[in-house]
This record gives sequence, C-alpha cells and structure tokens, in this order.
Amino acid sequence: QVQLVESGGGVVQPGRSLRLSCAASGFTFSSYALHWVRQAPGKGLEWVAGISYGGDNKYSAHSVKGRFTISRDNSKKILYLQMNSLRVEDTAVYYCARGQQWLYYWGQGTLVTVSS
Amino acid sequence: DIQMTQSPLSLSASVGDRVTITCQASQDIANYLNWYQHKPGKAPNLLIYEASNLETGVPSRFSGSGSGTDFTFTISNLQPEDFATYFCQQYDNLSLTFGGGTKVEIK
Repeated sequence: QVQLVESGGGVVQPGRSLRLSCAASGFTFSSYALHWVRQAPGKGLEWVAGISYGGDNKYSAHSVKGRFTISRDNSKKILYLQMNSLRVEDTAVYYCARGQQWLYYWGQGTLVTVSS
Repeated sequence: DIQMTQSPLSLSASVGDRVTITCQASQDIANYLNWYQHKPGKAPNLLIYEASNLETGVPSRFSGSGSGTDFTFTISNLQPEDFATYFCQQYDNLSLTFGGGTKVEIK
C-alpha cells in the first residue's frame, strides 16, 4: 500500500535551517508529482511547494520563496524540503502528499517548531 | 497568484441537516477545484476532485458543483462522522492554493 512517512521535524531557533524528508513506498515514486503542505497551529492548510515527477519543475508559495527548496531523489524514493532562514511563523505540521492536481495520499506529518 | 475565498469560516449544524460551503476563486479556474475533509491529528482526505467528481469510496451524501470562479460543496443528511473542517483547493499546474477552511460543528 502507498505510504508516505515524513521525518526531520523538531525545535529550531529563528534564522536556522532544517531539512525535512518524506520516504515513499508502495508506488512508482518517479511517476508522480509531490507536494509539501503545512498547517500552523489553529490555522488552515497552506500549500508550501510542489515538484514534478522528474524533478525538473518546481513551484513554491510566496511565503517561502527564496528560503525553502523542494527536491527529490527518485533513486532513493525520498522527497525533501530544505528550509533555511526559518521564522516563527513557519511553525507548523508539515505534510508531504502525492498528486499533480489533487492530493489523494498524504503522510501523517512532522511538526516543526521555530522558537527561541 | 490565484486566491481562494471560502465561506463560511464555521457553521453549526445538526445530524440530518444539509450543509453548503462555497469557494470563490480570484480568477477563472475552469473546474480545477478539489474538496478535502480534515480531522484533528489526521491527514486530509480527498472527497471531490475536478469540482464535481466523487472520489472512490466517498459517500454519496457529499457533492460538489461549479466552474469558473464559483464553487459549492454540499453535505446532505449530515452524519456524526462528518463533523470536521473542509477545505477547497485549486490547482494551476503544480501551484496549489487552499481555501481558508470551514469548520462544521455540532449544534
């Protein structure tokens, strides 16, 4: 069965960096686009970034542009989110999800807390 | 960027009620609109894709309609397990936008 398992979350100080990973199994990883979506405490869902199946096309939200980078390793079946210059407002549960236009499979999320 | 305005922010309803949520796009998005149910501590669940297509396994009391800029999501005969937050989501290639969400609470 399809599984997406996020890791790499934790507590980090403002201005520091963190890299999230999403390990996939149960499907042909290299055939699907993937996304990162986050939910801050008490807030709604916010799309963060998306990447095409081959990794050639990447898009990100204005709120993270220039600070966050999405990437993937199709040989290892892992999706990444490199997060630099973290801000308090980046505190959220980060989900990886599979899909081009709609997101059917989601991971359970990893919590990132940015605090001094 | 395309903005999605979802309303209401929250609503109270009783089991058996009909519930309607709307989403408005800042520009024409054809039928590129999906709906999700989200419960605390769980991953979101896709209910409707391309505005009106019911995802496999989703009960038929859920439905969606609309195109262009105005979309509607309806739960007919609200059930206890339907109390959750619902989000719309548009897609423009690999760029997505979610609506602000509607929390459906028990009256």
